[in-house]
Amino acid sequence: DSGVTQTPKHLITATGQRVTLRCSPRSGDLSVYWYQQSLDQGLQFLIQYYNGEERAKGNILERFSAQQFPDLHSELNLSSLELGDSALYFCASSTLRETDTQYFGPGTRLTVL
Amino acid sequence: GENVEQHPSTLSVQEGDSAVIKCTYSDSASNYFPWYKQELGKRPQLIIDIRSNVGEKKDQRIAVTLNKTAKHFSLHITETQPEDSAVYFCAASIGPWGSQGNLIFGKGTKLSVKP
Repeated sequence: DSGVTQTPKHLITATGQRVTLRCSPRSGDLSVYWYQQSLDQGLQFLIQYYNGEERAKGNILERFSAQQFPDLHSELNLSSLELGDSALYFCASSTLRETDTQYFGPGTRLTVL
Repeated sequence: GENVEQHPSTLSVQEGDSAVIKCTYSDSASNYFPWYKQELGKRPQLIIDIRSNVGEKKDQRIAVTLNKTAKHFSLHITETQPEDSAVYFCAASIGPWGSQGNLIFGKGTKLSVKP
């Protein structure tokens, strides 16, 4: 158990819908990262937050957005869902004070029908 | 931006043999190189990492080497066991230490250890 929690574990929805994925970092970690893992694309970095502020952006679609709240949990919002958005979405956290080591949560499996 | 190439994509070894997975990166500014092990449907788990100021690091049966000049790093697993079977990902991180740490991942190597 990494100490990073993600909910829900599974999510099944239809095209065009909107969903919210939630992540709670390890105690003491200020930085949260979101990654998308699909079969043909491997692990793709989406976005990073540090202490409530966006720090880095990767291959995140405009239909996707994220935020980090004062209690440091983060949410990833996916809207106008398409079949191709079906994937595992992982959240990771790190301290960014002494090390860049990232610890991954168990992931949310999103299925868009 | 940074690009990480990983080889081979699949690797099959006999139990007890060694396994080597290699990665190359494109950005010479990369300074942190972790390796993750991922079992089917589970989260990536950090197994070892190395920073750019170190050439080699070992942890029991696992070792990682880094060649900054050639911009490549490798994972070595000795005395492989069936429970080592998984997908292994290498990654590289750019950015000042303590400032930004998003990882760029290789596409993974599926390791199968046959008893």
